[in-house]
Formats: sequence, structure tokens, C-alpha cells
Amino acid sequence: IAGITQAPTSQILAAGRRMTLRCTQDMRHNAMYWYRQDLGLGLRLIHYSNTAGTTGKGEVPDGYSVSRANTDDFPLTLASAVPSQTSVYFCASSATRAGTDTQYFGPGTRLTVL
Amino acid sequence: GQQLNQSPQSMFIQEGEDVSMNCTSSSIFNTWLWYKQDPGEGPVLLIALYKAGELTSNGRLTAQFGITRKDSFLNISASIPSDVGIYFCAGPVAGNQFYFGTGTSLTVIP
Repeated sequence: IAGITQAPTSQILAAGRRMTLRCTQDMRHNAMYWYRQDLGLGLRLIHYSNTAGTTGKGEVPDGYSVSRANTDDFPLTLASAVPSQTSVYFCASSATRAGTDTQYFGPGTRLTVL
Repeated sequence: GQQLNQSPQSMFIQEGEDVSMNCTSSSIFNTWLWYKQDPGEGPVLLIALYKAGELTSNGRLTAQFGITRKDSFLNISASIPSDVGIYFCAGPVAGNQFYFGTGTSLTVIP
């Protein structure tokens, strides 16, 4: 059982470039999330999707976009990367949008923007 | 935005010792979650609390939902080397959107 997979594992990117971080889950979960993790700040929600075809903004959505064309995939796009987007990015999913459902996290993507 | 403050920021303890950490918020929460993150991996849920005053255990871990609903505590008894990692608390913004704490880094010295 794969759970949640993220790609790439790590990436070094020049500022101004476009980048898409991929996230796939095989648990048929309805809800999916993208977080960024920065030292001293914990995890912060970027965007979420409660079901295929819908998305919503989290705490720090600026500079990021998402799409949810199907249940399994939830890509995160940086249209024009900036150094402040250097971070570790985690994708997560939960069975439903209920706050009582456990969120399962992927292994993360370490992104460096130079 | 909301920030959950965790204390202490880091801990260095001897194997076998007990550990206590806490999380405080300026807002009232109706759910508290505790996660552990191993180095190089994503967080994993340890314990979920849904009621003020609730005390819940998971093996050597015990977590409590504070009576004021603005804090929560996590205790680890008889620590072992695999307890090493970063522990995060989390509380809901709304529904399934959570704020995460700043984390407590735990190092266990064999």
C-alpha cells in the first residue's frame, strides 16, 4: 500500500521558474491538503481540496495554485518561484472533510529556490 | 494568523526519562491533535482529543485536553531512542483546516 506519494523528493530551482509538485494518493480519500514547513513556524496550510473538482485557500496561499481534476491527484504549482518559497512541502489526505478524520502525510518535497 | 505556541522548543533527555511538553493557543479549540515527525518524513498522528478535560493514552504516550480549551499537554513515559523526532500539536481553524504548533524537538540520549 503506497498511501501518499510526492514527487520530486527534492528540487533546486532558479527564481522565476515555474514548478509543479506532484501528489498522488491511493486511499480514495476525498480531502487533500498542501502544507509548507519552515523552521520555527511549524506546518502552514497552503491550499486544500475537500473533494474532486473543488479547492480552497489555506493560511498562506499567495504564489501557489492547485487543481483537483480527480480524486487521486492534487498538484501544487508555483507559477514564478521566489526564494521565500524555499521550504519543505507536504501533501496530506483524509477520508472526508470532517475535522475528526485523520490526515495522512506524504514524505515531503524539499524545494530550494535560488 | 493563529499560532500555537509549543514549549519547550527542544529537549535533550536520557533514555528512560519521562517527557512533558505543552501547547497553548490564544483561541479556544474543540479539537487538539498531537503529531510526531521522524527525521526526513511527514508527520504521523499520535493522539486526537475532542473534549475538554479528556485524557487519552496511546502506549507510553498520554495527552490531555486542557480545561480552558486553550491548551493541551503530551507526556511520554520511559523514553526510548525511537522517540526522537519533532512533536507537533494542531488545532482546527475550521472543519478540516488545522493550525500547527511550532514543534518540540526531542533528542533521547542512550
